[in-house]
Amino acid sequence: QSALTQPPSASGSPGQSVTISCTGTSSDVGRYNYVSWYQQHPGKAPKLMLYEISKRPSGVPDRFSGSKSGNTASLTVSGLQLEDEADYYCSSFAGSGNLLFGGGTKLTVL
Amino acid sequence: EVQLLESGGGLVQPGGSLRLSCAASGFTFVTYGMSWVRQAPGKGLQWVSAITGSGGNTYYADSVKGRFTISRDNSKNTLYLLMNSLRAEDTAVYYCAKAPIDDFWSGCDWGQGTLVTVSS
Repeated sequence: QSALTQPPSASGSPGQSVTISCTGTSSDVGRYNYVSWYQQHPGKAPKLMLYEISKRPSGVPDRFSGSKSGNTASLTVSGLQLEDEADYYCSSFAGSGNLLFGGGTKLTVL
Repeated sequence: EVQLLESGGGLVQPGGSLRLSCAASGFTFVTYGMSWVRQAPGKGLQWVSAITGSGGNTYYADSVKGRFTISRDNSKNTLYLLMNSLRAEDTAVYYCAKAPIDDFWSGCDWGQGTLVTVSS
């Protein structure tokens, strides 16, 4: 199965909002609510930001929100801060014991 | 505090084998599903394998099925990944991840990773 599709890059100024999309198919993103988003700073391990589309783990600011429409999930970061600059990856359960990741989006805070 | 510490990475020749370990602490290990996720140098994340808390169910990406085996020893709070018939494209940092209690297919805590290099 193919990876989920994310834009290679996104950007915004401090205080602005930015949305990153994650497009799959009716067999993965469109079928299941097991969509997660991860933040990864250079040289660091990934950090879970959202799971089951929009649930935030303890400690993740509510500036991070998620949604899904059809085969596309989205991560929105509101009130951008410099420390939000990182790579972001989505993942989705794809059935038959399979998990897919997106190719990643590099978020730049201008 | 949840801690996950991977070990066992290194340089191995194509066709060789390696066993990765992930020592867990700070939580009731048997209660949680665990996964291995890898990241080739300069590339994105790729899911490799997952295992339920009891170890009774295992799952693999097509790219490693038949070559890799995930297992766990709940008495030692340790997750393993046995990798056979290694290929150059298996070169990556391998992370172990703990799932949240309510979402097996996610990873809420991650180790620092261990580098596997497959080269002659």
